[in-house]
Amino acid sequence: KAGVTQTPRYLIKTRGQQVTLSCSPISGHRSVSWYQQTPGQGLQFLFEYFSETQRNKGNFPGRFSGRQFSNSRSEMNVSTLELGDSALYLCASSLDGRDPYGYTFGSGTRLTVV
Amino acid sequence: DAKTTQPPSMDCAEGRAANLPCNHSTISGNEYVYWYRQIHSQGPQYIIHGLKNNETNEMASLIITEDRKSSTLILPHATLRDTAVYYCIVRPAGTTDSWGKLQFGAGTQVVVTP
Repeated sequence: KAGVTQTPRYLIKTRGQQVTLSCSPISGHRSVSWYQQTPGQGLQFLFEYFSETQRNKGNFPGRFSGRQFSNSRSEMNVSTLELGDSALYLCASSLDGRDPYGYTFGSGTRLTVV
Repeated sequence: DAKTTQPPSMDCAEGRAANLPCNHSTISGNEYVYWYRQIHSQGPQYIIHGLKNNETNEMASLIITEDRKSSTLILPHATLRDTAVYYCIVRPAGTTDSWGKLQFGAGTQVVVTP
């Protein structure tokens, strides 16, 4: 079966711009979670969407937002980019978010802010 | 969620068993132990999980101490492809405010050498 697809794989943006990243989950999966990975902070949870509703949220500023569509595809948006937003952004999909053994991660989007 | 402590790095010879320790001394009775690994430039991958009994699957074995305060992930015959960062995570079952998210620590960088 097809895995979790994240697009684009690489992105370069300028400070102050905004960016939208996309995550297409495995067919049938309704939960999509987003994570930020940096060398200094490691893997940090951003938020999780289930059935088009944000169900859980991590400790990130309001510049980070997301949404989920009726087909379970999810997007995350970062506005007013800062240099510190340079990171690997990962999404994970699962049937309902309940069981971590069912989480499947994508390969991520590498965002560089210059 | 309980925090975990892992050694930052360890080396293992190809073909030998790799034993990865994890301390989770504050684990609660309803928290499971999950292991994930992340190969360079890929998303994390689920390996195994357990509550209090030892578990084995095609990838690894998980040994949890009787008091549940620590566990060991065993890769029985390490190969070069097992070089990765290994994360030990504890997470409660049955609470919707944790669904869809994982709290990653720094993990253990395992390097398998020929």
